[in-house]
Amino acid sequence: EVQLVESGGGLVQPGRSLRLSCAASGFAFDKYAMHWVRQVPGKGLQWVSGITWNSGSITYADSVKGRFTISRDNAKNSLYLQMNSLRVEDTALYYCTKDLEGPSYWGQGTLVNVSS
Amino acid sequence: DVVMTQSPLSLPVTLGQPASISCTSSQSLLYSDGNTYLNWFQHRPGQSPRRLIYKVSNRDSGVPDRFSGSGSGTDFTLKISRVEAEDVGVYYCVQGTHWPPGLTFGGGTKVEIK
Repeated sequence: EVQLVESGGGLVQPGRSLRLSCAASGFAFDKYAMHWVRQVPGKGLQWVSGITWNSGSITYADSVKGRFTISRDNAKNSLYLQMNSLRVEDTALYYCTKDLEGPSYWGQGTLVNVSS
Repeated sequence: DVVMTQSPLSLPVTLGQPASISCTSSQSLLYSDGNTYLNWFQHRPGQSPRRLIYKVSNRDSGVPDRFSGSGSGTDFTLKISRVEAEDVGVYYCVQGTHWPPGLTFGGGTKVEIK
């Protein structure tokens, strides 16, 4: 069974940091690019960041560039998102998702609430 | 950057009637390998997004055949032949042709029952 399980969300003050993790199982994690996608409450889905299978290409949405860092550990079948200098507007449900090539897999999401 | 524009924003539909959602990209989504990486997702409240259609017109496993996708280049359409109650949710077109640098989601179309 394919699973993507996000963790690490929570309530944090503006300017602070959080690190999200995504544990993958049931598919060849090390062969696919992975992405983080978020949904701000009441708004649509927004792509946040992506990383190729070998970490050779890493890209970010303009809204998080310079503050967020995506990484992966293929030996641990895990994807990460280090979020620094968090802003109120980063409040969202963060999903980990496999690249769109082939079957599509999504986690259940982890909620990040940035508030003072 | 690629911009994906969906219409309408909201789509009230009578049960059993057809529905159609339009998606336009600011750049051609035809990739050099001959494929067009345009996907359609359904997002129901309280659930994770679910892909319905990949590469313009291919249904994912388990997706009812009342869902169909069409289009080419920059203009794409998702059609539901007969809307059922379980189809309520927000639908997104998503391009993967221009990744890297990134995936691009349309703004979403909310399908609701009249």
